[in-house]
Amino acid sequence: AQSVTQPDIHITVSEGASLELRCNYSYGATPYLFWYVQSPGQGLQLLLKYFSGDTLVQGIKGFEAEFKRSQSSFNLRKPSVHWSDAAEYFCAVGRSQAGTALIFGKGTTLSVSS
Amino acid sequence: GAGVSQSPRYKVAKRGQDVALRCDPISGHVSLFWYQQALGQGPEFLTYFQNEAQLDKSGLPSDRFFAERPEGSVSTLKIQRTQQEDSAVYLCASSSDGTSGNEQFFGPGTRLTVL
Repeated sequence: AQSVTQPDIHITVSEGASLELRCNYSYGATPYLFWYVQSPGQGLQLLLKYFSGDTLVQGIKGFEAEFKRSQSSFNLRKPSVHWSDAAEYFCAVGRSQAGTALIFGKGTTLSVSS
Repeated sequence: GAGVSQSPRYKVAKRGQDVALRCDPISGHVSLFWYQQALGQGPEFLTYFQNEAQLDKSGLPSDRFFAERPEGSVSTLKIQRTQQEDSAVYLCASSSDGTSGNEQFFGPGTRLTVL
């Protein structure tokens, strides 16, 4: 079955500390992978995406993610967290073909402590 | 604006009422998706349109849910005889189907509360 697992429901990180959010997927075809961020009352904003090529992808707001096929993982990282990064983060997987639905994980809530 | 817009942003309905949720996709976007996001969960696919054609409605939870996109732009998701389990945020997303492939742009959502 196709699925996305985000093992951590809630993570608290000190401001300025590094961050890693985990994402594992199960997908029968070549996966296209996405990370979205959702702030309260807001829609989903795309942070970064992996389609092919270099397995380390850079996104907006200083985020990066690494695709590891052997581990079926696509973990999100940031070297130094800012208080404004507090939000909910969703990993999603889909096919390359346009018009196909994305499958989302349940999300990880990030809190940032001062 | 240039993004996906949805209205209303909040909707409270009494159980048994019908509701209609509107989505205005990014101009020129061919693909339009509806997702349902229950509290504490990730979005789950409901239905997909390519222009005015509804090509996939496999995620609609019951026949009380109906979606349309008659002119290939604005879409409406209708829920008949609402039930408490329909309470959720309904997200609309659109995609250009161009070189960005399956990158979907999301609206802010409509939060539906059924009392």
